[in-house]
Amino acid sequence: KQEVTQIPAALSVPEGENLVLNCSFTDSAIYNLQWFRQDPGKGLTSLLLIQSSQREQTSGRLNASLDKSSGRSTLYIAASQPGDSATYLCAGATGGGNKLTFGTGTQLKVEL
Amino acid sequence: DAGVTQSPTHLIKTRGQHVTLRCSPISGHKSVSWYQQVLGQGPQFIFQYYEKEERGRGNFPDRFSARQFPNYSSELNVNALLLGDSALYLCASSFEPNTEAFFGQGTRLTVV
Repeated sequence: KQEVTQIPAALSVPEGENLVLNCSFTDSAIYNLQWFRQDPGKGLTSLLLIQSSQREQTSGRLNASLDKSSGRSTLYIAASQPGDSATYLCAGATGGGNKLTFGTGTQLKVEL
Repeated sequence: DAGVTQSPTHLIKTRGQHVTLRCSPISGHKSVSWYQQVLGQGPQFIFQYYEKEERGRGNFPDRFSARQFPNYSSELNVNALLLGDSALYLCASSFEPNTEAFFGQGTRLTVV
Protein backbone atom coordinates (compact mmCIF):
# COMPACT_ATOMS: atom_id res chain seq x y z
CA LYS A 1 0.00 0.00 0.00
CA GLN A 2 1.40 3.34 -1.06
CA GLU A 3 1.96 5.89 1.69
CA VAL A 4 3.03 9.45 1.02
CA THR A 5 4.55 11.74 3.63
CA GLN A 6 5.27 15.45 3.35
CA ILE A 7 7.68 17.36 5.53
CA PRO A 8 7.41 19.94 6.94
CA ALA A 9 3.69 20.18 7.68
CA ALA A 10 3.95 23.95 7.81
CA LEU A 11 6.55 26.49 6.77
CA SER A 12 6.81 30.26 7.12
CA VAL A 13 9.47 32.16 5.17
CA PRO A 14 10.23 35.79 4.33
CA GLU A 15 9.59 37.01 0.81
CA GLY A 16 12.42 36.35 -1.62
CA GLU A 17 13.70 33.22 0.07
CA ASN A 18 14.35 30.02 -1.87
CA LEU A 19 12.72 26.96 -0.31
CA VAL A 20 12.39 23.20 -0.66
CA LEU A 21 9.35 21.07 0.10
CA ASN A 22 9.84 17.36 0.64
CA CYS A 23 7.72 14.37 -0.33
CA SER A 24 8.51 10.72 0.36
CA PHE A 25 6.67 7.62 -0.81
CA THR A 26 6.89 3.96 0.15
CA ASP A 27 6.10 2.21 -3.16
CA SER A 28 8.72 2.96 -5.81
CA ALA A 29 6.50 1.43 -8.51
CA ILE A 30 4.84 4.74 -9.24
CA TYR A 31 3.84 5.77 -12.76
CA ASN A 32 4.29 9.45 -12.11
CA LEU A 33 4.41 12.01 -9.33
CA GLN A 34 2.45 15.23 -9.42
CA TRP A 35 2.70 18.39 -7.35
CA PHE A 36 -0.39 20.48 -6.67
CA ARG A 37 -1.22 23.76 -5.00
CA GLN A 38 -4.42 24.23 -2.99
CA ASP A 39 -5.75 27.55 -1.75
CA PRO A 40 -8.10 27.48 1.28
CA GLY A 41 -11.47 25.88 0.44
CA LYS A 42 -10.54 25.51 -3.22
CA GLY A 43 -9.69 22.73 -5.62
CA LEU A 44 -6.22 21.61 -6.61
CA THR A 45 -4.09 23.36 -9.22
CA SER A 46 -1.58 21.16 -11.02
CA LEU A 47 1.96 22.55 -10.83
CA LEU A 48 4.26 19.88 -12.23
CA LEU A 49 4.08 16.26 -13.38
CA ILE A 50 7.14 14.04 -13.38
CA GLN A 51 6.91 10.75 -15.22
CA SER A 52 8.62 7.76 -13.61
CA SER A 53 11.32 7.81 -16.31
CA GLN A 54 12.16 11.47 -15.64
CA ARG A 55 14.39 13.03 -12.98
CA GLU A 56 13.03 16.55 -12.89
CA GLN A 57 10.63 19.08 -14.35
CA THR A 58 10.74 22.87 -14.35
CA SER A 59 8.06 25.52 -14.73
CA GLY A 60 9.00 29.12 -14.10
CA ARG A 61 10.23 29.49 -10.53
CA LEU A 62 9.32 25.89 -9.72
CA ASN A 63 11.52 22.82 -10.07
CA ALA A 64 10.51 19.33 -9.03
CA SER A 65 12.79 16.32 -8.80
CA LEU A 66 12.07 12.62 -8.50
CA ASP A 67 14.30 9.86 -7.13
CA LYS A 68 12.40 6.59 -7.31
CA SER A 69 15.19 4.54 -5.74
CA SER A 70 15.08 6.55 -2.54
CA GLY A 71 11.32 7.18 -2.68
CA ARG A 72 11.68 10.96 -2.64
CA SER A 73 10.57 14.01 -4.51
CA THR A 74 11.31 17.66 -3.83
CA LEU A 75 9.66 20.85 -4.97
CA TYR A 76 12.00 23.83 -5.13
CA ILE A 77 10.48 27.31 -5.18
CA ALA A 78 12.82 30.14 -6.11
CA ALA A 79 12.43 33.72 -4.96
CA SER A 80 9.23 33.10 -3.01
CA GLN A 81 6.40 35.65 -3.13
CA PRO A 82 3.37 36.25 -0.87
CA GLY A 83 1.18 34.90 -3.67
CA ASP A 84 2.91 31.53 -3.25
CA SER A 85 1.19 31.13 0.14
CA ALA A 86 -0.95 27.99 -0.10
CA THR A 87 -0.91 24.28 0.76
CA TYR A 88 1.31 22.20 -1.50
CA LEU A 89 0.40 18.56 -2.05
CA CYS A 90 2.34 15.78 -3.75
CA ALA A 91 0.66 12.67 -5.14
CA GLY A 92 2.05 9.44 -6.56
CA ALA A 93 0.16 7.53 -9.25
CA THR A 94 -0.04 3.78 -8.74
CA GLY A 95 -2.41 0.95 -9.61
CA GLY A 96 -1.87 1.28 -13.34
CA GLY A 97 -1.80 5.04 -13.02
CA ASN A 98 -5.41 5.02 -11.99
CA LYS A 99 -5.03 6.09 -8.38
CA LEU A 100 -3.33 9.15 -6.91
CA THR A 101 -2.14 8.75 -3.33
CA PHE A 102 -1.70 12.13 -1.66
CA GLY A 103 0.39 13.35 1.20
CA THR A 104 -1.17 15.57 3.85
CA GLY A 105 0.48 18.65 2.40
CA THR A 106 2.84 21.44 3.43
CA GLN A 107 1.15 24.71 4.37
CA LEU A 108 3.38 27.50 3.14
CA LYS A 109 3.19 31.12 4.25
CA VAL A 110 5.40 33.72 2.57
CA GLU A 111 5.56 36.90 4.59
CA LEU A 112 6.31 40.43 3.41
CA ASP B 1 -10.98 26.52 -22.59
CA ALA B 2 -13.23 25.42 -19.76
CA GLY B 3 -11.56 23.48 -16.99
CA VAL B 4 -13.14 20.74 -14.93
CA THR B 5 -16.55 21.87 -13.71
CA GLN B 6 -18.35 20.48 -10.70
CA SER B 7 -21.86 21.07 -9.45
CA PRO B 8 -23.18 22.04 -7.05
CA THR B 9 -20.45 24.04 -5.29
CA HIS B 10 -22.03 23.69 -1.88
CA LEU B 11 -24.63 21.31 -0.49
CA ILE B 12 -26.23 20.71 2.88
CA LYS B 13 -27.95 17.38 3.47
CA THR B 14 -29.51 15.58 6.43
CA ARG B 15 -28.26 12.25 7.75
CA GLY B 16 -29.80 9.33 5.87
CA GLN B 17 -30.42 11.30 2.69
CA HIS B 18 -28.97 10.63 -0.72
CA VAL B 19 -26.77 13.01 -2.74
CA THR B 20 -25.62 13.21 -6.35
CA LEU B 21 -22.55 15.19 -7.33
CA ARG B 22 -21.73 16.00 -10.95
CA CYS B 23 -18.53 16.55 -12.89
CA SER B 24 -17.78 17.63 -16.45
CA PRO B 25 -14.23 16.89 -17.57
CA ILE B 26 -12.03 19.01 -19.77
CA SER B 27 -13.01 18.64 -23.42
CA GLY B 28 -11.18 15.66 -24.93
CA HIS B 29 -10.46 14.03 -21.57
CA LYS B 30 -11.82 10.52 -21.22
CA SER B 31 -10.86 9.71 -17.64
CA VAL B 32 -12.62 11.01 -14.54
CA SER B 33 -11.66 10.33 -10.93
CA TRP B 34 -13.35 11.22 -7.64
CA TYR B 35 -11.64 12.09 -4.36
CA GLN B 36 -12.83 12.93 -0.85
CA GLN B 37 -10.92 15.49 1.18
CA VAL B 38 -11.67 16.04 4.84
CA LEU B 39 -10.32 19.11 6.59
CA GLY B 40 -6.59 18.99 7.19
CA GLN B 41 -6.01 15.84 5.14
CA GLY B 42 -4.95 15.07 1.60
CA PRO B 43 -7.59 13.85 -0.86
CA GLN B 44 -8.53 10.17 -0.69
CA PHE B 45 -9.23 8.21 -3.88
CA ILE B 46 -12.81 7.02 -4.33
CA PHE B 47 -13.26 5.96 -7.98
CA GLN B 48 -11.77 6.23 -11.43
CA TYR B 49 -13.64 5.81 -14.70
CA TYR B 50 -12.09 5.59 -18.15
CA GLU B 51 -14.06 5.17 -21.34
CA LYS B 52 -17.19 4.66 -19.22
CA GLU B 53 -15.75 1.70 -17.34
CA GLU B 54 -14.69 1.58 -13.70
CA ARG B 55 -10.92 1.31 -13.57
CA GLY B 56 -10.29 1.70 -9.86
CA ARG B 57 -12.09 1.83 -6.54
CA GLY B 58 -10.80 3.10 -3.23
CA ASN B 59 -11.56 1.89 0.26
CA PHE B 60 -15.04 3.36 0.57
CA PRO B 61 -18.29 1.61 1.54
CA ASP B 62 -20.87 0.46 -0.99
CA ARG B 63 -22.93 3.53 -0.16
CA PHE B 64 -20.64 5.29 -2.62
CA SER B 65 -21.20 4.65 -6.32
CA ALA B 66 -20.39 6.43 -9.55
CA ARG B 67 -20.87 6.25 -13.27
CA GLN B 68 -19.55 7.87 -16.43
CA PHE B 69 -21.77 8.89 -19.30
CA PRO B 70 -21.15 8.68 -23.09
CA ASN B 71 -20.07 12.36 -23.09
CA TYR B 72 -17.49 11.45 -20.37
CA SER B 73 -19.21 13.46 -17.66
CA SER B 74 -19.62 11.67 -14.35
CA GLU B 75 -21.82 11.42 -11.29
CA LEU B 76 -20.89 10.41 -7.76
CA ASN B 77 -23.76 9.10 -5.66
CA VAL B 78 -23.73 8.65 -1.91
CA ASN B 79 -26.61 6.91 -0.14
CA ALA B 80 -27.59 6.91 3.53
CA LEU B 81 -25.43 9.93 4.35
CA LEU B 82 -23.49 9.96 7.60
CA LEU B 83 -22.05 12.95 9.45
CA GLY B 84 -18.61 11.62 8.53
CA ASP B 85 -19.35 12.05 4.84
CA SER B 86 -19.02 15.81 5.29
CA ALA B 87 -16.05 16.77 3.13
CA LEU B 88 -14.86 18.47 -0.04
CA TYR B 89 -15.49 16.15 -2.98
CA LEU B 90 -13.08 16.66 -5.83
CA CYS B 91 -13.31 15.53 -9.41
CA ALA B 92 -10.23 15.15 -11.60
CA SER B 93 -10.04 14.66 -15.33
CA SER B 94 -7.19 13.43 -17.49
CA PHE B 95 -6.80 12.50 -21.13
CA GLU B 96 -6.25 8.90 -20.08
CA PRO B 97 -4.89 7.10 -16.97
CA ASN B 98 -1.28 7.95 -16.12
CA THR B 99 -1.47 11.43 -17.63
CA GLU B 100 -1.66 14.77 -15.85
CA ALA B 101 -4.73 15.13 -13.63
CA PHE B 102 -6.65 18.40 -13.52
CA PHE B 103 -9.03 19.07 -10.66
CA GLY B 104 -12.26 20.98 -10.39
CA GLN B 105 -13.09 23.40 -7.59
CA GLY B 106 -14.92 20.74 -5.65
CA THR B 107 -18.31 20.31 -4.02
CA ARG B 108 -18.45 21.13 -0.32
CA LEU B 109 -20.89 18.64 1.25
CA THR B 110 -22.13 19.21 4.78
CA VAL B 111 -24.21 16.51 6.45
CA VAL B 112 -26.21 17.66 9.48
